[in-house]
Amino acid sequence: EIVMTQSPATLSVSPGERATLSCRASQSVSSNLAWYQQKPGQAPRLLIYGASTRATGIPARFSGSGSGTEFTLTISSLQSEDFAVYYCQQYNNWPPLFTFGPGTKVDIK
Amino acid sequence: QVQLQESGPGLVKPSETLSLTCTVSGGSISRSSYYWGWIRQPPGKGLEWVGSIYYSGSTHYNPSLKSRVTISVDTSKNQFSLKLSSVTAADTAVYYCAAAPTDDYGRCWFDPWGQGTLVTVSS
Repeated sequence: EIVMTQSPATLSVSPGERATLSCRASQSVSSNLAWYQQKPGQAPRLLIYGASTRATGIPARFSGSGSGTEFTLTISSLQSEDFAVYYCQQYNNWPPLFTFGPGTKVDIK
Repeated sequence: QVQLQESGPGLVKPSETLSLTCTVSGGSISRSSYYWGWIRQPPGKGLEWVGSIYYSGSTHYNPSLKSRVTISVDTSKNQFSLKLSSVTAADTAVYYCAAAPTDDYGRCWFDPWGQGTLVTVSS
C-alpha cells in the first residue's frame, strides 16, 4: 500500500498571503495525484487532478505541482473561503487501491 | 454535472450489516468513463477509500475491508449500493459516495461527492 504523508499538519496564514502545502508518497505515483478541499460539515471538493490540472470551476489561485513522490499545492493569495482542510490522494495503483494523506488544516493567523 | 445523494439508516447495531444507497442524478451511471466509489470519514479523522464499482459490475475493494464489503450497481435505478457486514464501533463514520471520472488509462479521482451520511454503530 502506498502511504501518503502531508506537511505541515496545520498551517496558519494571514488572508492575502501565500500558502504552500506538501504531500509525499511512500513510492512513486507518477502524476496520479489529486488534491481536495474540505470545509467543516461539508463533503470534500476536488481541486486538482493529474498533480497539476485544476478541476472545473476552481480559481486560478490554486495550483498543483510535482511528480513521483513529492507534490505541492499552492494557494497564491488566501481568501477567507480558503480556510479549510486539504487532502492529497494518490490513484496510481491498478487494480485500484486509493490512499489519502492525513490532511493539512489551513487556519487564520 | 452529476449529483449524488446517499441514503440509508443512520444507526446500526454492532455485528449487523450497514447498508447504504447512492442515487445518481443528472447523468447515467452507465457512462463508460466513470467509476463510482464509496469513501468514509470517522468523526474528526481523515478519509478512507472503501471501494469502487464500474457500471458493468466490476468491483474493487480496500483490502483492509474486503472481507466485509459488497458494492453493487442497479443501472435501472441509476443507483449503486454499499453493504458492510459485521460492523463495530470502528465503522462509525460519515460515508460518502462519489463519481470517479477516469483518465485514458482507467485511473480515477473522485468528483463530485455526495453530501455524506453519518452512520453510527451502537447498541
